[in-house]
Amino acid sequence: EVQLVESGGGLVQPGGSLRLSCAASGFSLSHSWMHWVRQAPGKGLVWVSHINSDRNIINYVDSVRGRFAISRDDAKNTLFLQMNSLTAEDTAVYYCARGGDSGLPYWGQGTLVTVSS
Amino acid sequence: DIVMTQSPDSLAVSLGERATINCKSSQSVSSSSDNKYSVAWYQQKPGQPPKLLIYRASTRESGVPDRFSGSGSGTDFTLTISSLQAEDVAVYYCQQYYTAPDTFGQGTKLEIK
Repeated sequence: EVQLVESGGGLVQPGGSLRLSCAASGFSLSHSWMHWVRQAPGKGLVWVSHINSDRNIINYVDSVRGRFAISRDDAKNTLFLQMNSLTAEDTAVYYCARGGDSGLPYWGQGTLVTVSS
Repeated sequence: DIVMTQSPDSLAVSLGERATINCKSSQSVSSSSDNKYSVAWYQQKPGQPPKLLIYRASTRESGVPDRFSGSGSGTDFTLTISSLQAEDVAVYYCQQYYTAPDTFGQGTKLEIK
C-alpha cells in the first residue's frame, strides 16, 4: 500500500527556515515523480515543486524559486522540502504527492507551516 | 504559466441532479505526439487531502464511482457528476500537468440545493 507521511511543519518566525520531510512506503521514490503542493488556510491548491525519478528535472513555482529546494534521500525513501527566507505568505498546509502522467493519485495528509512573529 | 480558470466558483445542485463544472486552460495542454490532454480533476473535502477523480481529461481513477466523468478538448474541459449524492459535497479542482509549473484552477465549491 502506498503511503506518504509528511512531517517537519510548525511555527517559524518570518525570515526563518524549515525542512519538511515526506516518508514514502509501498513504492520507491527513485522510480517516481514527486511533488509538493500547498494550501493556505481557506484557500485553493498551489503546486510548489516537483522532482523526477532521475533527479535531473526540478521545477518550482515562481513565488518560491530561489528560497525553496526539493531533494530526495533514496536510501531513506524520503522526500524533502528545504524552505528558507519564509514569509507570512508561505503559511499553508504542505502536501507531498506522487505523480506521473496520470495526475497526482497519492497524497499525504499534509503538515502545517505557520510563519508568524 | 498556464492559467486554469474554473466556472462557476460555487454551485448548488439538488440531490439526484446533474452537476457540471468547467475548466478552461489559457493554452494547449495536449501533446501533439499522442493527442492526450494532461488535465486532472480532484475532489477535496474539509480536513482531507485532495482525491484524484479523473486524469488525462477523461480517464476515471480506479475506485471512483462512474457517476463522475470528465470530458473536453482543446482548452475547455468539464467534470460532470451525473446524479449528485450527499457525499459529493466538496471543493473540486482541475489541474494541468502538461508543463511546469503545474497549475490548479481556483476551485469550485459544490453544495446541495
